[in-house]
Amino acid sequence: GNSVTQMEGPVTLSEEAFLTINCTYTATGYPSLFWYVQYPGEGLQLLLKATKADDKGSNKGFEATYRKETTSFHLEKGSVQVSDSAVYFCALSDRGKLSFGAGTTVTVRA
Amino acid sequence: DTGVSQNPRHKITKRGQNVTFRCDPISEHNRLYWYRQTLGQGPEFLTYFQNEAQLEKSRLLSDRFSAERPKGSFSTLEIQRTEQGDSAMYLCASSPSTSLVYNEQFFGPGTRLTVL
Repeated sequence: GNSVTQMEGPVTLSEEAFLTINCTYTATGYPSLFWYVQYPGEGLQLLLKATKADDKGSNKGFEATYRKETTSFHLEKGSVQVSDSAVYFCALSDRGKLSFGAGTTVTVRA
Repeated sequence: DTGVSQNPRHKITKRGQNVTFRCDPISEHNRLYWYRQTLGQGPEFLTYFQNEAQLEKSRLLSDRFSAERPKGSFSTLEIQRTEQGDSAMYLCASSPSTSLVYNEQFFGPGTRLTVL
């Protein structure tokens, strides 16, 4: 079956530090890949997506590249801000329904 | 507000009672999904509808769970004879997709269920 494994947290960083959250997946076929974010007290929001191999998704300074050869979709941001503190979920889509990783809690300190 | 709405936001019930949650998707979104999220975990797929048709149910959805979307608009999720293990956040999402090609799913704020 489909599954997503992402880096365990929590992750604590200083402002302007580099952030990377590892995500690998197992799937049959060629799924679409996503990063969702959940800010404190809010619902899940789509952060970025990639629908085929070598696609790069980007949004709000975050990037992730769909790597079929390593079955990975690592999330990166070059300079984090306090407002990036949230829980980040990696996910894949199989005919529409989503399979999520366990989530990584990121805290950015001023 | 034109986002996905869920009611109630919180529900506390005693073991053995029945509970029902409602989800109102974004207008004209024909796909509607239910997920369950327990503490420290990502959401897990429960079931989804395309219009009024329930197309898939997860093995997580035991006989005590039933979902409906009678007119292809709002949906309800009912849990009968609740157990403490049912305590979780129940999330609803909607999508405009009518095909198997992914379209963004928009999530509601969730209903947090606590079974005492």
